[in-house]
Amino acid sequence: DAGVIQSPRHEVTEMGQEVTLRCKPISGHNSLFWYRQTMMRGLELLIYFNNNVPIDDSGMPEDRFSAKMPNASFSTLKIQPSEPRDSAVYFCASSSYSGGGNSPLHFGNGTRLTVT
Amino acid sequence: AQSVTQLGSHVSVSEGALVLLRCNYSSSVPPYLFWYVQYPNQGLQLLLKYTSAATLVKGINGFEAEFKKSETSFHLTKPSAHMSDAAEYFCAVSDPRGTGNQFYFGTGTSLTVIP
Repeated sequence: DAGVIQSPRHEVTEMGQEVTLRCKPISGHNSLFWYRQTMMRGLELLIYFNNNVPIDDSGMPEDRFSAKMPNASFSTLKIQPSEPRDSAVYFCASSSYSGGGNSPLHFGNGTRLTVT
Repeated sequence: AQSVTQLGSHVSVSEGALVLLRCNYSSSVPPYLFWYVQYPNQGLQLLLKYTSAATLVKGINGFEAEFKKSETSFHLTKPSAHMSDAAEYFCAVSDPRGTGNQFYFGTGTSLTVIP
């Protein structure tokens, strides 16, 4: 089990640039989550998918943020244009969902985004 | 709606002392409950989970937690702290009713272990 794989681990970009974060969930998992972690706000859920379909995107802060899951083994989180306040650690997590939330989340090691 | 409250954003204990990290939940039905640990520059790792079986749950690294419905609590304990336990700990809750796969996290407790 390779775990949830995120890339890149670190991203430094300038304000206004497009940023794309990538995630490969654990094979066989059918739910995927994107979280953002900052000192000020803690861990925030941005969006989650069940069976590649976005279920709840109410946590996406602005239209500058978008997420896709084209297939069961890949998801992207895009920020366009990026702003300094987007600087945070972004986590992807996956789980095996079959009704009822008893299957725990498995987290990747995160992408640390710095927007200057 | 579900929510989690972790009392104490910072806890310090001496090496070898009891670790007690508090978690209270708010839910209209008994939820599923989880404790996660986060080491620096890493993602969250599952320590243990409660899913309506035994109320005392044992996890990894000597940690355990007890579900107390009357107190709506799920406190995390470890009899003897080790230096390697220094980390951030998160309590989380999810809904067992199959209405979605939403997890709600507490704000975290930073554990410091003093040698």
